[in-house]
Amino acid sequence: EPEVTQTPSHQVTQMGQEVILRCVPISNHLYFYWYRQILGQKVEFLVSFYNNEISEKSEIFDDQFSVERPDGSNFTLKIRSTKLEDSAMYFCASSTLGPANTGELFFGEGSRLTVL
Amino acid sequence: KNQVEQSPQSLIILEGKNCTLQCNYTVSPFSNLRWYKQDTGRGPVSLTIMTFSENTKSNGRYTATLDADTKQSSLHITASQLSDSASYICVVSAKTGTASKLTFGTGTRLQVTL
Repeated sequence: EPEVTQTPSHQVTQMGQEVILRCVPISNHLYFYWYRQILGQKVEFLVSFYNNEISEKSEIFDDQFSVERPDGSNFTLKIRSTKLEDSAMYFCASSTLGPANTGELFFGEGSRLTVL
Repeated sequence: KNQVEQSPQSLIILEGKNCTLQCNYTVSPFSNLRWYKQDTGRGPVSLTIMTFSENTKSNGRYTATLDADTKQSSLHITASQLSDSASYICVVSAKTGTASKLTFGTGTRLQVTL
């Protein structure tokens, strides 16, 4: 069964360092997303990506964050200068239809980021 | 502001028993409502997706209901199993022009015991 894969599963970094989280969405999907979940809290939307551009982003997704689909398969989230409060589980998701439709959203297993 | 509230926050039940989880939302304009199961440290997995016109939807031992008038949904789990132990998250989608996003609830942490 096709699945969304994420790497790394866990990354530990020093505050101020750049981090790139990678995702390989399901191949025929058109919509891509990044979410984050701080330990013990709810899942929060970061950004949606469609047709090679950001379609929507939340207030969390500030200038320190960027997304890219460099080669038509990978979908990356970059955090330029990490802060302690960026420590969270980051989930990539993909779907064939936008979430306003009933297209199922498939999540990856997550990348746990720990900022020291 | 769009919000999704879930209750109870946590629940412990014996294996084989049934349980019902609740979700209230204030998302507008409403597009659809989803229930996800999230095992600890894993990504959420979709259980059901319901639109405005659907009142009930089942997926095996999981049955979701939706009352769009009162903006409430429930997830009923029948004959619970140990593997049902997880967080169950209610997620509501708002349709806002050409873009939309999902609003997640905080989840109900279910523990099924022997």
